[in-house]
Amino acid sequence: GDSVTQMEGPVTLSEEAFLTINCTYTATGYPSLFWYVQYPGEGLQLLLKATKADDKGSNKGFEATYRKETTSFHLEKGSVQVSDSAVYFCASWIPGYALNFGKGTSLLVTP
Amino acid sequence: DSGVTQTPKHLITATGQRVTLRCSPRSGDLSVYWYQQSLDQGLQFLIQYYNGEERAKGNILERFSAQQFPDLHSELNLSSLELGDSALYFCASSVADPNYGYTFGSGTRLTVV
Repeated sequence: GDSVTQMEGPVTLSEEAFLTINCTYTATGYPSLFWYVQYPGEGLQLLLKATKADDKGSNKGFEATYRKETTSFHLEKGSVQVSDSAVYFCASWIPGYALNFGKGTSLLVTP
Repeated sequence: DSGVTQTPKHLITATGQRVTLRCSPRSGDLSVYWYQQSLDQGLQFLIQYYNGEERAKGNILERFSAQQFPDLHSELNLSSLELGDSALYFCASSVADPNYGYTFGSGTRLTVV
């Protein structure tokens, strides 16, 4: 079956540092790819998505590009803020199935 | 407020007991999904309903069951509870096409003692 693999956390960065969280997927066919964010005590929120190869999803300064050749969807942000501290989940979706999530990567940004 | 309402927020119960978790989807969403989140397993998909019908099943134990009612709210029933069932249970909803993303509730934290 399909699966999503994320880099293990926690990731600790200083404010204004560059962020990369790696995500790779395996799937039959071409899934849609998503990043979700979970703030403490809350449910997951959709951060960005890409539905086909070479698409770039972006939101709130975060970006991720759907790379078919490397089966990757890495999340990046040029300058993180303390308020970005959260758990980030990469997910894939194929029609007929539910969203399949990675295990999540915890990010802590310090002042 | 995401629009998906889950009750209760917290639940503490003893081993062997049965509990019911409730979810009201966002207005207009026909699909409801249940996920279990634990530290070691991450987010595990349990089951999906679409407009009252079971649509997909994931890693749901036989002790667990769910249903979606005509008003589209859903209930997840957990029985013969074990310590290992302690987790956060999330409900999410979507329009027919999940490409628009899921809307998650804030979860029910179940503690089995």
